[in-house]
Amino acid sequence: SAVISQKPSRDICQRGTSLTIQCQVDSQVTMMFWYRQQPGQSLTLIATANQGSEATYESGFVIDKFPISRPNLTFSTLTVSNMSPEDSSIYLCSVGGQGKKLFFGSGTQLSVL
Amino acid sequence: AQSVTQLDSQVPVFEEAPVELRCNYSSSVSVYLFWYVQYPNQGLQLLLKYLSGSTLVKGINGFEAEFNKSQTSFHLRKPSVHISDTAEYFCAVSDDDFGNEKLTFGTGTRLTIIP
Repeated sequence: SAVISQKPSRDICQRGTSLTIQCQVDSQVTMMFWYRQQPGQSLTLIATANQGSEATYESGFVIDKFPISRPNLTFSTLTVSNMSPEDSSIYLCSVGGQGKKLFFGSGTQLSVL
Repeated sequence: AQSVTQLDSQVPVFEEAPVELRCNYSSSVSVYLFWYVQYPNQGLQLLLKYLSGSTLVKGINGFEAEFNKSQTSFHLRKPSVHISDTAEYFCAVSDDDFGNEKLTFGTGTRLTIIP
């Protein structure tokens, strides 16, 4: 199993600012995933982050808005840039395990005023 | 493209009563199916998964689910619920591509246990 530490757990931000979310895993993993969970909606994959290469973004998400870093096999960051109230969501980091199992961090609840 | 439908957004159930949370999926290829649970203020954790083999899958905390290919369903069941089962439950699907760990999630079902 993998233990994922994600921070901050929650934040309230002003419109136009940026927030960087950190994700730390207790073991080395090849792929890390960033999901968004909007109020009352399902989890949506933002991007897949591989160490040593550019992140792969899903349709509707772009690097300028959600830049991702993956400096090593245990750490990744997601930045939500130039925030607007529509960015208010829970952001979740996850990693894959054996048997196609995903492990999730506890999430970052972001509110944008 | 895959999609997952959880028709029930909220399900209230009396304690010790049985429960079924419905999940239907659509996919043009073979799939892997999952149920995740999210307890209040916590991250998601895997309840159970179907990869292959027996269509009846048993998971943690007394939950089970049955894969029905003809009905494209993967409903979650528990014969007797407890207060501690109060949580959000997500059904998810992954296409049959070993190593592809991207999941498509349903919108979730909030299970509330009534004492």
